[in-house]
Amino acid sequence: DQQVKQNSPSLSVQEGRISILNCDYTNSMFDYFLWYKKYPAEGPTFLISISSIKDKNEDGRFTVFLNKSAKHLSLHIVPSQPGDSAVYFCAASGGGSNYKLTFGKGTLLTVNP
Amino acid sequence: KAGVTQTPRYLIKTRGQQVTLSCSPISGHRSVSWYQQTPGQGLQFLFEYFSETQRNKGNFPGRFSGRQFSNSRSEMNVSTLELGDSALYLCASSLNQLLYGYTFGSGTRLTVV
Repeated sequence: DQQVKQNSPSLSVQEGRISILNCDYTNSMFDYFLWYKKYPAEGPTFLISISSIKDKNEDGRFTVFLNKSAKHLSLHIVPSQPGDSAVYFCAASGGGSNYKLTFGKGTLLTVNP
Repeated sequence: KAGVTQTPRYLIKTRGQQVTLSCSPISGHRSVSWYQQTPGQGLQFLFEYFSETQRNKGNFPGRFSGRQFSNSRSEMNVSTLELGDSALYLCASSLNQLLYGYTFGSGTRLTVV
């Protein structure tokens, strides 16, 4: 049972345009959500997080939106740069004393020059 | 500052053998988690340690075990290796995983033949 789903295995965008990566979850106990970026042969790198008490969090070119009623979150990257090309993972946590992260299977973003 | 260090980077073992992987977290980080990454299952949580105590455990068989030392360094052990244990094993440490996310190491690539 996949509790965190990234339904698009890949996404291709032009440099300078917006990249939108989507993530859906099924467990209503999740109350913290994180996005990670992963390059080949490296571990995932933390990008941005959002608590369930918020609906938006912004950090530079990265913005995460959370729609709790739809159990959906998205990561917007504006403007997209070729260096953003990587696999992006959405992750969720139950919070409290549960520090386990449940990851989606990732979306490969390719930003074309 | 030094990142999360995992050793060894690559390992080839035979079915039935056992293996120990090592992780040195970022100085000051007391939480250490382990994840298994495979192409089919994505990133899956193994366990999390905090101050030498296992705080959370994923759904893996008892052949997978871990421990954390007083200096926060952690090891994970897999006994009676199976072909399906071939994966990238990632260690991550954090000061506060929900606020700052985990910092992942580059992983240990285990191949079981």
